[in-house]
Amino acid sequence: QKEVEQNSGPLSVPEGAIASLNCTYSDRGSQSFFWYRQYSGKSPELIMSIYSNGDKEDGRFTAQLNKASQYVSLLIRDSQPSDSATYLCAVPLYNFNKFYFGSGTKLNVKP
Amino acid sequence: GAVVSQHPSRVICKSGTSVKIECRSLDFQATTMFWYRQFPKQSLMLMATSNEGSKATYEQGVEKDKFLINHASLTLSTLTVTSAHPEDSSFYICSAEVGGDTQYFGPGTRLTVL
Repeated sequence: QKEVEQNSGPLSVPEGAIASLNCTYSDRGSQSFFWYRQYSGKSPELIMSIYSNGDKEDGRFTAQLNKASQYVSLLIRDSQPSDSATYLCAVPLYNFNKFYFGSGTKLNVKP
Repeated sequence: GAVVSQHPSRVICKSGTSVKIECRSLDFQATTMFWYRQFPKQSLMLMATSNEGSKATYEQGVEKDKFLINHASLTLSTLTVTSAHPEDSSFYICSAEVGGDTQYFGPGTRLTVL
């Protein structure tokens, strides 16, 4: 089992819809969780971090964390074509500072 | 967010030459930086963890004598690809750790070895 798993997609949604991106992780001791966006040919850009169970909202983005289920998700409301990118879930290994990255989910938002 | 720069953004070199890539934290001090490599359509692969003032920690399968990492100051880490070969052509990305757990990425360096 990989440390962090994501559906590779592509996930296609129409413009204006809600895009839901999911991630599961294996280390029950993990305390922090991150979502990055990576456009083709560019480096990852931090979107959100979440540390506590529940929802965390930032603009059109909402991160959801369920530690009991070892599950973290990212919702993008009112999806725009500019949101089309690969979204990476990152989880630091408990007690260490390096990240495990999921393989990323490619999102396509169709105009 | 924190700003991390990389230089050069793109480099083309001949096989057998060495290439140095710089990673700088512009508005903060970074005790720990990370070096990643990404091949087309693949995910990030962590190469090494770079700690200021000490030796880098390399991931399994990464040749430390080929990928030399120096983190001589709190704002600069360098990666030198020694005797580069075409199979080393890749997108090299550094990141800097902030606040103990958050990583901010540099813009990346695209290396092409002819």
